[in-house]
Amino acid sequence: EAQVTQNPRYLITVTGKKLTVTCSQNMNHEYMSWYRQDPGLGLRQIYYSMNVEVTDKGDVPEGYKVSRKEKRNFPLILESPSPNQTSLYFCASKWGGDSPLHFGNGTRLTVT
Amino acid sequence: DQQVKQNSPSLSVQEGRISILNCDYTNSMFDYFLWYKKYPAEGPTFLISISSIKDKNEDGRFTVFLNKSAKHLSLHIVPSQPGDSAVYFCAASGGQGAQKLVFGQGTRLTINP
Repeated sequence: EAQVTQNPRYLITVTGKKLTVTCSQNMNHEYMSWYRQDPGLGLRQIYYSMNVEVTDKGDVPEGYKVSRKEKRNFPLILESPSPNQTSLYFCASKWGGDSPLHFGNGTRLTVT
Repeated sequence: DQQVKQNSPSLSVQEGRISILNCDYTNSMFDYFLWYKKYPAEGPTFLISISSIKDKNEDGRFTVFLNKSAKHLSLHIVPSQPGDSAVYFCAASGGQGAQKLVFGQGTRLTINP
């Protein structure tokens, strides 16, 4: 089944404790992206990658890192999480151009 | 600066009637628009899209209309069904930010039996 898989689905952590949210897609998509969803703000892009070893900042990249060492994986790294990073995170992928994004089921992160 | 705006946080429609969801954008460089549907505990799923060279695109019960002069698009669902109850996001891309898909805040649609 074609899908984008994120792990974990739920995560509660404390301020400053490094964490990684994994994302993997099995559709051989070139483009991958991370979004966060917050009430009243919709989905905002954090980082995106157009291909292996190519990453670019989205609209809200502060406090996040990403890497794209393999085509299928695009982990999101929070080196020192803070409470304002409490949010619902979505990973997504697509072929490129105007093809639609395929989203994972989300990771709900709480930073206390 | 919200480049894509959905000004109605929620909408309630009776089953069988038409649902109309609206979206406004400010960036005239946007040339491709999409609607996504999101159920609780799931990721958004693609519903329908439209290119700026068109003013209408239809797919079954779903039709998207684009008014470029007004920088406005709308999604029509007819007839509305209970399974259409979800949050709907409009999104836009184009111009220098072609690889960035900008989303609106979402509209929660509730279909009442």
